Amino acid sequence: DVKVTQSSRYLVKRTGEKVFLECVQDMDHENMFWYRQDPGLGLRLIYFSYDVKMKEKGDIPEGYSVSREKKERFSLILESASTNQTSMYLCASSKIRDTNTEAFFGQGTRLTVV
Amino acid sequence: GENVEQHPSTLSVQEGDSAVIKCTYSDSASNYFPWYKQELGKRPQLIIDIRSNVGEKKDQRIAVTLNKTAKHFSLHITETQPEDSAVYFCAARSLYNFNKFYFGSGTKLNVKP
Repeated sequence: DVKVTQSSRYLVKRTGEKVFLECVQDMDHENMFWYRQDPGLGLRLIYFSYDVKMKEKGDIPEGYSVSREKKERFSLILESASTNQTSMYLCASSKIRDTNTEAFFGQGTRLTVV
Repeated sequence: GENVEQHPSTLSVQEGDSAVIKCTYSDSASNYFPWYKQELGKRPQLIIDIRSNVGEKKDQRIAVTLNKTAKHFSLHITETQPEDSAVYFCAARSLYNFNKFYFGSGTKLNVKP
């Protein structure tokens, strides 16, 4: 059974805190993604990575950074959390060379910034 | 980059009726179109997908159609059941730009018993 695992299901952080969201996949996928899910806005891409130490900005990268030191792990970092970053965060992974395969999602992290 | 638009945002049907969700995309290089179902509190999971060399694909009560010329694709659910109630996302995968997935804004389907 394929697995994308996010380290936390729920998080509550204070404004200004540095927040780390962790994601691990065991499918040897090259691509990893971080999406933010808000009602009525669908899944918006924050950052993605196509290889170790490689990263590309998505549609809404402001206020976020990422780290990919190992192929299986992709971290999303909120440098200084703000209330408008309260949201559901979804990690996903996929193969890069086979274009006709799906993305697999983690279970999501619901982050509340107070 | 790619832009995927999805309609409607909410859809309410009676059990046993059909439901249709439509998506359009902008990048002619997109060649893979998956549909995901997200039940309340759960992760999105693939329910059906279609590749750009195919016009239609069926899997039991679910079907997807693709019109490459018009750049739109649709999800059809027949004989809907209450367990079909969920949020559905369409997506397009670009052949270029590292094969990123671009998602629609989602459709909340409610099947009334």
